[in-house]
Amino acid sequence: AQSVTQPDIHITVSEGASLELRCNYSYGATPYLFWYVQSPGQGLQLLLKYFSGDTLVQGIKGFEAEFKRSQSSFNLRKPSVHWSDAAEYFCAVGAMEYGNKLVFGAGTILRVKS
Amino acid sequence: DTAVSQTPKYLVTQMGNDKSIKCEQNLGHDTMYWYKQDSKKFLKIMFSYNNKELIINETVPNRFSPKSPDKAHLNLHINSLELGDSAVYFCASSRDRGTYNEQFFGPGTRLTVL
Repeated sequence: AQSVTQPDIHITVSEGASLELRCNYSYGATPYLFWYVQSPGQGLQLLLKYFSGDTLVQGIKGFEAEFKRSQSSFNLRKPSVHWSDAAEYFCAVGAMEYGNKLVFGAGTILRVKS
Repeated sequence: DTAVSQTPKYLVTQMGNDKSIKCEQNLGHDTMYWYKQDSKKFLKIMFSYNNKELIINETVPNRFSPKSPDKAHLNLHINSLELGDSAVYFCASSRDRGTYNEQFFGPGTRLTVL
């Protein structure tokens, strides 16, 4: 079955600094990959997704992610973090072979210091 | 114009009680989901319905029973509530059952069992 690992539980960055959140997945073929963001007390919102094609995908709010098959990774990046980016970020993987389910990582809490 | 709504937002109840959580989406989507997010923020799918038909049924105690009266609604009924049922329950919907689809999440229902 597919699985997702987000190795960092918490990350703190200064406002204006760059950000990279790590995500590694376990799946034999090319999976569907997603990044969601959850603000406190809110539901999840999709930032971006990858299915095929260009391995660098752009999302909302200035986020991007790069799919690296050789490393089984789909890391999320942002060149300059804003205080409003403080939230929890979830990586997810899906595959038709596993019944169209999304499997989520444990999440990474992002703190932004001014 | 709320896309995916859930009621109630908070639910506090005693062990052994029966409770229901309601979910409605006004996006015209065919597929709806229930997720459970535990105290460690780990998000796991419980059920999925496509056009009122159950398509995903994870290993969930049979005290949990989803019901979909029409494709815009997916309710979750929980019998004989236990302490371990305390969590945030999220409803979500997607255009169809394909894993490549974005899932739209509701704001969540925080269930506390005393």
